[in-house]
Formats: sequence, structure tokens, C-alpha cells
Amino acid sequence: GDSVTQMEGPVTLSEEAFLTINCTYTATGYPSLFWYVQYPGEGLQLLLKATKADDKGSNKGFEATYRKETTSFHLEKGSVQVSDSAVYFCALSEGNTPLVFGKGTRLSVIA
Amino acid sequence: DGGITQSPKYLFRKEGQNVTLSCEQNLNHDAMYWYRQDPGQGLRLIYYSQIVNDFQKGDIAEGYSVSREKKESFPLTVTSAQKNPTAFYLCASSSDRGASYSPLHFGNGTRLTVT
Repeated sequence: GDSVTQMEGPVTLSEEAFLTINCTYTATGYPSLFWYVQYPGEGLQLLLKATKADDKGSNKGFEATYRKETTSFHLEKGSVQVSDSAVYFCALSEGNTPLVFGKGTRLSVIA
Repeated sequence: DGGITQSPKYLFRKEGQNVTLSCEQNLNHDAMYWYRQDPGQGLRLIYYSQIVNDFQKGDIAEGYSVSREKKESFPLTVTSAQKNPTAFYLCASSSDRGASYSPLHFGNGTRLTVT
């Protein structure tokens, strides 16, 4: 079945550092890909999405490009802030089946 | 403001008791979902419903039950048959009967502790 693999955390960065969180997927067709963010004690919020190959999703300085050839959807941000500290989830959906999530990557940004 | 409301935020129960978690949405979304979150395991799907009066089992449905009598509501009952019920439970909804391009909107979760 479909699956998502993302890098394990935790990831600790200094403020203004460059962030990459790797995500690769396995799917039988052409899924939609998502990144969600979860702040402490809260539910998940959609961060960005891409619905077809070569699409780039972006929001709040975060970006991810749907790479069909490498089955990847890596999350990047050029300069992280303390307020970006959270857990980040990569996810995919195919057809009308429910989202499949990766295990999440905890990011801590220190001042 | 439209959104998803889960209540209560914290819930404590004794082992052997059934407990029902509430989830209400006013987004007019067709599809609703229940996920369970445990440390280091990401989110696992318990049940989902794409239309009223219909629902499907997810990956870990054993020990849980749901109903979908109204579009706005999708309560989850954690029964005494669930072996490890202590967890963080998240409810979500999406439009277009859960089409792949429709993102999920999440509630803020209910943390259930069973002792």
C-alpha cells in the first residue's frame, strides 16, 4: 500500500539556519502530497501541498517540490525562526482514500 | 469562524469503562476522520466517513466504534475492548468526500488517559 517515509528527528537548529526535512513516498498512482505542522498541544495545520509532479507548494517561507522521478517531497526553509519549532508531518492521498502520514519530525530552533 | 471542535480537551477514565469523544464541524464538509497519535508513531487512522450514515474502518479500528447520523458530528467511542486506549485523539474533516486534493482540517485533539 501507499506509504510515507520522513527523516527521523529530533532536528535542532540555530535561528536563521537552513532547514531540510526529507520525505519520500511510495504510491501506485499519482498522489497529492502535503506537509502539515503541529504546534505543542494542538491539532495539525496544513502547511503546504502539491497535487501534481513538478508543482511547488509554498507557505510562510517553507517550500516543497513534488519530484516524481525521485518520489520525494522534501520540505525546506531558508532561515528558520524559534516560532517554527513544531512537529512536521509529510502525507499523501490518492484517489479518495484517507491521508497516509509519515511519523513526523520534531524541529527545535534555538535562539 | 468555521472549524472543528473536539471536547473535552482532557479526559480521564477508569479501565473497563466506555468513553465517547465528541467531534463537531461547521465547515459543511462531507468527510470526517478519527486519528490516534502516539509518541514516535505518527498518526494512525481509526475510522472515517465520507458521507452521512456511512463509515469505514481504518488501520486500527479494533476496540473503537463511531456513528455518523449528522453531517456535522462524528463521535468516537473507545470501548473497554481497546487494549491501550491512552493516547491523543484527533478528529479531522475534508470537503469533496475526501478527494485527494482536499486537505484535512483538524481539531485540537482530546487527550484520553485510562488508568
